[in-house]
Amino acid sequence: GDSVTQMEGPVTLSEEAFLTINCTYTATGYPSLFWYVQYPGEGLQLLLKATKADDKGSNKGFEATYRKETTSFHLEKGSVQVSDSAVYFCALSDPTGGGNKLTFGTGTQLKVEL
Amino acid sequence: NAGVTQTPKFQVLKTGQSMTLQCAQDMNHEYMSWYRQDPGMGLRLIHYSVGAGITDQGEVPNGYNVSRSTTEDFPLRLLSAAPSQTSVYFCASRSGTGPNQPQHFGDGTRLSIL
Repeated sequence: GDSVTQMEGPVTLSEEAFLTINCTYTATGYPSLFWYVQYPGEGLQLLLKATKADDKGSNKGFEATYRKETTSFHLEKGSVQVSDSAVYFCALSDPTGGGNKLTFGTGTQLKVEL
Repeated sequence: NAGVTQTPKFQVLKTGQSMTLQCAQDMNHEYMSWYRQDPGMGLRLIHYSVGAGITDQGEVPNGYNVSRSTTEDFPLRLLSAAPSQTSVYFCASRSGTGPNQPQHFGDGTRLSIL
């Protein structure tokens, strides 16, 4: 079945540091890939998405590129801020199953310190 | 625009009690779903619906019932609560135009079963 593997957290960075959160996946078909962010006490919000190979999703300074050859969708940001502290989830939607299910990774907590 | 609204935000139940978690969306989305979030496990799909009158099981459906009588509402019922159902529950919706569309999440219901 489908699965998503994320790097374990927590990840602690200083403000303005470079961020990478690794995400790899397995899927039956050609999935759409998403990064969601969850701030404390809130629901998940879409951060960015990519729907086909070599697509790059970007939003709020975050980027991720859909790499079919390595089945990866790593999240990057050049300079993190304290306000980026949150839990980040990588997820996929596989059209083979009708796209009716999002498969999530376990989440990576990011802490950014001054 | 309210988006996806979940009630209650917090609830404590005793083992064996029943309750209904409410979810409503005002975006006219055809697809709605329920997830549970547990530490170290990401989010797992409980049930989903592709339209009024149509529901199906997800990854972890046991102990939960759903119905979809209107486009707007998708309640989740626990018939006899068990401690293993202690979790944070999220409702989500998306446009029915396909798996590439992101899901919109509510703020969650934190449920404790004693």
